[in-house]
Amino acid sequence: AQKVTQAQTEISVVEKEDVTLDCVYETRDTTYYLFWYKQPPSGELVFLIRRNSFDEQNEISGRYSWNFQKSTSSFNFTITASQVVDSAVYFCALSELNYGGSQGNLIFGKGTKLSVKP
Amino acid sequence: NAGVTQTPKFRVLKTGQSMTLLCAQDMNHEYMYWYRQDPGMGLRLIHYSVGEGTTAKGEVPDGYNVSRLKKQNFLLGLESAAPSQTSVYFCASGRDRERHGYTFGSGTRLTVV
Repeated sequence: AQKVTQAQTEISVVEKEDVTLDCVYETRDTTYYLFWYKQPPSGELVFLIRRNSFDEQNEISGRYSWNFQKSTSSFNFTITASQVVDSAVYFCALSELNYGGSQGNLIFGKGTKLSVKP
Repeated sequence: NAGVTQTPKFRVLKTGQSMTLLCAQDMNHEYMYWYRQDPGMGLRLIHYSVGEGTTAKGEVPDGYNVSRLKKQNFLLGLESAAPSQTSVYFCASGRDRERHGYTFGSGTRLTVV
């Protein structure tokens, strides 16, 4: 069955530290999509990245980078030189193309709360 | 460019009352979803729709009903609210099976007392 595990419930760092948020997934499908969303204290969900299962290239966007490894079923998220504004809950999510009974449904992990202290 | 709009943003209900949450999107998306978010649980799918006139059950559908009479609107109804339905509700919409990033509404915080 499909499942997303974010083992880190809470992480606290000091500003300018690098931090990695872990995401491990389980899927039956060969074609699937992985996402990261940010939920700041204001509560909205902000889309960060989407990656399909055929694209294992790592991606960098400013201070954010993502490491996708199919061999370990992981899609980890690293924030370099963290800032207080990065404080939020971060969700990893999975969507299966062929086996997702709910068409396009996102299976969410339980989230990792990141606190960045000045 | 409103994106996905949810109304209301906050609501307090008494046990047994009914209400409807409205989700409206202006992006011509086919897919629409209702999720609930509870502490430590992440987001769980309640119901979804793959197009106008269609609805289907998600992971936690009991106690909820939905309708998608118009493509841009997806309504979530609680017929007889229970304290267990106290949650934050998110609506999301997405394009077709290309699985682009879904757009979420800002959420509705519902408290059932």
